[in-house]
Amino acid sequence: SQTIHQWPATLVQPVGSPLSLECTVEGTSNPNLYWYRQAAGRGLQLLFYSVGIGQISSEVPQNLSASRPQDRQFILSSKKLLLSDSGFYLCAWSAGEFSGYTFGSGTRLTVV
Amino acid sequence: AQTVTQSQPEMSVQEAETVTLSCTYDTSESNYYLFWYKQPPSRQMILVIRQEAYKQQNATENRFSVNFQKAAKSFSLKISDSQLGDTAMYFCAFRNAGNMLTFGGGTRLMVKP
Repeated sequence: SQTIHQWPATLVQPVGSPLSLECTVEGTSNPNLYWYRQAAGRGLQLLFYSVGIGQISSEVPQNLSASRPQDRQFILSSKKLLLSDSGFYLCAWSAGEFSGYTFGSGTRLTVV
Repeated sequence: AQTVTQSQPEMSVQEAETVTLSCTYDTSESNYYLFWYKQPPSRQMILVIRQEAYKQQNATENRFSVNFQKAAKSFSLKISDSQLGDTAMYFCAFRNAGNMLTFGGGTRLMVKP
């Protein structure tokens, strides 16, 4: 069966520090991968999606970037965090164009 | 572009009663899928139920069922025999070919003992 792993679960980082959040999927190949951000009590904002290795599409211009170095690995990064980068980050994968998404357990990022 | 609207920011229901969460969407497509996701306090996103637009029969998963009105572009979620563990944010979502999953703004449901 397919599983998705996301880490770390919680992260507190100072302003100006770098960021790396990692997401991996097991049990499938060539998944579509997504990064979402959710502010407290709010909806989900799509940040990046990828349909294959090295293929990244950005939905919102911002301080963050994403990479897909391997088929089932998706990384969210920042060179210098801002206070506004605080939030709950969710990774997700889907099998095809009509599939629902399966989400990771999320990372709560606090920038101080 | 597709939009998904959840007009009820918050709702509450007594344990064991039934509650219906509303969702409307806007699309010109005829073939698409609709989803309801649950996000409990742990913030894990959990797929509750899914409906294919070409199917007239409403989807059902145990205590969860939908009322899919394609002409009205409405996709409501009914939770029967509400349980304390149903307390969560509920997100309606839409997906058609080649596009991302579009989420509504969410409805916070509180089940009261």
